[in-house]
Parts: sequence; C-alpha cells; structure tokens
Amino acid sequence: DAKTTQPNSMESNEEEPVHLPCNHSTISGTDYIHWYRQLPSQGPEYVIHGLTSNVNNRMASLAIAEDRKSSTLILHRATLRDAAVYYCILSVPCPPEPTDSWGKLQFGAGTQVVVTP
Amino acid sequence: DGGITQSPKYLFRKEGQNVTLSCEQNLNHDAMYWYRQDPGQGLRLIYYSQIVNDFQKGDIAEGYSVSREKKESFPLTVTSAQKNPTAFYLCASSPGTGGFGYTFGSGTRLTVV
Repeated sequence: DAKTTQPNSMESNEEEPVHLPCNHSTISGTDYIHWYRQLPSQGPEYVIHGLTSNVNNRMASLAIAEDRKSSTLILHRATLRDAAVYYCILSVPCPPEPTDSWGKLQFGAGTQVVVTP
Repeated sequence: DGGITQSPKYLFRKEGQNVTLSCEQNLNHDAMYWYRQDPGQGLRLIYYSQIVNDFQKGDIAEGYSVSREKKESFPLTVTSAQKNPTAFYLCASSPGTGGFGYTFGSGTRLTVV
C-alpha cells in the first residue's frame, strides 16, 4: 500500500492560515487522498478528500500537486478548535472484487497542529 | 441523528479476563471497523467487516475476536491472549465504497489493572 509522510508537528497563530504538507511519492493513479483530524480523546473526523483537482469545503481546502506526489491541507483561518492531529491517508477505491486493501484507511502518526492565541 | 455509539467510555479489566466492547451504528453503513490507538500513535486496524456475517483480520488481530450478526452491531472481544490490551479503542463505519465517508465513535478507553 502507498504510504504518506507528514511532519510531526506544526504551530500556528490564531486566525492565520495553516498549510499542512503530505508527501505520497508512491501514490497510484486510482488512490484517493483523504484527510481526517482527531481532537484529544475523540475519534477522528472527516475533513476532506480528493483525487486530482483541488477541493474546497467549509472546513478546509486541499491542494494536490500536478504529479500527485504531494498534497497540502489548508486551514484558512486557524482557531483554537482546530488544534488536533491531522492525518493524510491514501485509499484504494472499491475494486470490482474485494481485495486486501479494499476500503481500509491506514493511519500514520499524523501532524499535531498547535494553535496559539 | 445518525451516528456510532461505543460503550462503555471507560473500562477496567483484570488480567486474565475477557471483555467485550460494544459498537452500534444507525447510519445503515455496510462496513464496520475496529482500530486500536496507543498514546502518541496513529490508529491500527484490528478487524473489519464488509457485510453481515463476514469479517477479516486487520494488521493486529491476535488476541481479539469479533462478530457481525447484525448490520448495526460489531462488538469486539479483547481476550486474555492479548498481551498488552491497555489502549484507546475506536469503532468506525463506512458506506462501503473504498475508504469514503468513515464515521468514528467516541472510543472506549480500556485499562488493565
């Protein structure tokens, strides 16, 4: 399975943008890029996902490099509630037949985001 | 509102005992998953189920067992064979389409005393 590499931690001031990088140099053409975040003592929550084009939603934006070997999650204005561990994950979409990698999200250690007032 | 309910929130177990963690979802999702998280680490997959009456081992299944008799329920039993069971356990479900739309429960923190 393709792996991702993220920095261990990043700091930001409140109300400033946060750019979270993710490297996935072995990504395959059918891998989707997912971002989840986990607040302390809670389960992860979905943030955003994409395949090739940049994506925006109410939580964040996802910028995907043209060669798809890296991506960046952008939090436009960090708040204290955005302090969490952010995970960048690749997944294989549903193939015609079930495989070992079907539908499974493999979580790495993620990036701890610290937001300073 | 639809979601996933895990219970109990905290669980204490004596060494040598089996314990069962509950996971119920009302999202009508086909797939369900159990993950384990140790302090400062990411999540590791224990078991997953794509449909009722079927489940597969994940990366760290030894010492755990599951059942999937109903679509809504996916209980996890931590057996006495699990050498280091103290951890945060998370249940998740998805519609079953290749990694999309995961919803997680709020977790059960298991401590062996």
